[in-house]
Amino acid sequence: GESVGLHLPTLSVQEGDNSIINCAYSNSASDYFIWYKQESGKGPQFIIDIRSNMDKRQGQRVTVLLNKTVKHLSLQIAATQPGDSAVYFCAEARGGGSYIPTFGRGTSLIVHP
Amino acid sequence: DGGITQSPKYLFRKEGQNVTLSCEQNLNHDAMYWYRQDPGQGLRLIYYSQIVNDFQKGDIAEGYSVSREKKESFPLTVTSAQKNPTAFYLCATMGRGRGPFFGQGTRLTVV
Repeated sequence: GESVGLHLPTLSVQEGDNSIINCAYSNSASDYFIWYKQESGKGPQFIIDIRSNMDKRQGQRVTVLLNKTVKHLSLQIAATQPGDSAVYFCAEARGGGSYIPTFGRGTSLIVHP
Repeated sequence: DGGITQSPKYLFRKEGQNVTLSCEQNLNHDAMYWYRQDPGQGLRLIYYSQIVNDFQKGDIAEGYSVSREKKESFPLTVTSAQKNPTAFYLCATMGRGRGPFFGQGTRLTVV
């Protein structure tokens, strides 16, 4: 079946560095993508989303890039801070009818002071 | 998300007991979802509802039941038929083409 996955299970960075978390998707019909941050014991927090008619979207310290040619999604976090340490996962969804997102398992981001 | 309230935060279930997890939202979203999260695994869909008085089974609906009598509420009952209920349960909503947005979760433990 088609699934959403992440390339790296753990990413360690130094405080102040930029972080890049990657995600591959296989459903070419997906047209909506979301990044979440999940801290231990808490529900996932919606970070940023992007639709398939865009290839880049920026938020506060975060940028999502979408490459539909190779079915790749990335989340860039600028000037990473210790508070950014969490599990990040992506989700994909296809519009029309039932809108059922599919989630990846996540990448653990560890930020060292 | 502040607009989605899950309760209780922690829940303990005895063998053979049914328990109900609450999910309330004030976002006026039509769609609501229940997911189960196990350590090291992705979210798995239990049930979802696109509109009041209608709901559909997800990938792992066996041993669970739901109702959607009001737009704001989507309670999940974990029945005694669910043999491995210990997990983190997440409720989510989706509206106006964005989301889903999650509550803070309920951690259910069998004792």
